Amino acid sequence: NAGVTQTPKFQVLKTGQSMTLQCAQDMNHNSMYWYRQDPGMGLRLIYYSASEGTTDKGEVPNGYNVSRLNKREFSLRLESAAPSQTSVYFCASRAAPGLADFGTFGEQFFGPGTRLTVL
Amino acid sequence: AQRVTQPEKLLSVFKGAPVELKCNYSYSGSPELFWYVQYSRQRLQLLLRHISRESIKGFTADLNKGETSFHLKKPFAQEEDSAMYYCASRRGYTDKLIFGTGTRLQVFP
Repeated sequence: NAGVTQTPKFQVLKTGQSMTLQCAQDMNHNSMYWYRQDPGMGLRLIYYSASEGTTDKGEVPNGYNVSRLNKREFSLRLESAAPSQTSVYFCASRAAPGLADFGTFGEQFFGPGTRLTVL
Repeated sequence: AQRVTQPEKLLSVFKGAPVELKCNYSYSGSPELFWYVQYSRQRLQLLLRHISRESIKGFTADLNKGETSFHLKKPFAQEEDSAMYYCASRRGYTDKLIFGTGTRLQVFP
């Protein structure tokens, strides 16, 4: 299993350019997430998808859109990049808890991250 | 608003010293709490969760509802423990986690 994969690993954009960050998981997880990691801010949730066909906003959704293409893939799009979107972006998927932990929040598995710089 | 607070940005200790990484949460209900760790050049990964009551890599964390804390402890730090540690809380009964701002642990030889 590759787990959670992300492409690209690095990207430099100019202000106003658009791009899509790709994420895929091969663990058959229902829930997928996009976070951004900034120094001193920790991880902040941008968008998430509880299941195929559904998406919801997180804490910092402005300037982003997402697509849950199928159960495996969850992409993040920046329509018009701004310097404030310079960050490291992490995709994650979440395992369903075992029967003994039914109703609890299962483990999240993270991708390797995409380092994005917007000039 | 529900919050997770990690007051220390950086914690430096020598090998063999005890370590305590602080985490406080604000939630009036029964929280679900986690510690995630990110070693250099590795992915963020789950270290432990309070409902499991496990000890992972010598680390333990006890939920203290009176103090609304979930501090991460290890009696004898090792150099390989150097990493970024994030405390996280489930947001209510939703599908979302709230992360703290993280504490970087440096263990010197």
